[in-house]
Amino acid sequence: DADVTQTPRNRITKTGKRIMLECSQTKGHDRMYWYRQDPGLGLQLIYYSFDVKDINKGEISDGYSVSRQAQAKFSLSLESAIPNQTALYFCATRSTGDTDTQYFGPGTRLTVL
Amino acid sequence: QKEVEQNSGPLSVPEGAIASLNCTYSDRGSQSFFWYRQYSGKSPELIMFIYSNGDKEDGRFTAQLNKASQYVSLLIRDSQPSDSATYLCAVNTGGGNKLTFGTGTQLKVEL
Repeated sequence: DADVTQTPRNRITKTGKRIMLECSQTKGHDRMYWYRQDPGLGLQLIYYSFDVKDINKGEISDGYSVSRQAQAKFSLSLESAIPNQTALYFCATRSTGDTDTQYFGPGTRLTVL
Repeated sequence: QKEVEQNSGPLSVPEGAIASLNCTYSDRGSQSFFWYRQYSGKSPELIMFIYSNGDKEDGRFTAQLNKASQYVSLLIRDSQPSDSATYLCAVNTGGGNKLTFGTGTQLKVEL
């Protein structure tokens, strides 16, 4: 089984809809991250969390919110989706005290019509 | 100036040649540096990380770091068609709490 899983893997939604992307990990890592990737723009950090009580905004948090329900679960919500949020979304994890290496989930391809 | 800069490519090399991928960064406080490989539509996977000035070798891959010049590179020896992918350079920033990624260099290894 994969260490970092994301659901759904693909989602098509309409403008104005609320949508949640979920991330779960079995690596036992305390740190979790959400990124979006657009062609030619690389990976941009949306939110990150060091534990269930520590949530931090990344460089492009506007229009997004997150919830860290447990150490192993980190969800990303789009309260009212808009077309320019169409992108590939990745969750990543990292263990504090280890190297800074982040391990990525398989990604969610989101299309907002 | 972007925090992490890479040439977007594509960089084309013949099979069996050495591919050289380059990355510059702006945060002098950065302590760790990473190379990820990403196939189209897939998630990034770690190739190598490096902390100290100099070279670090792992199989066909060599990472090179020069902190004075704020430059990190990845050499791929004996390039194979399966090496064709986008290579992302990442640098720890924000006091070590975050990774900042470059936009990636697309590598094409031609038969």
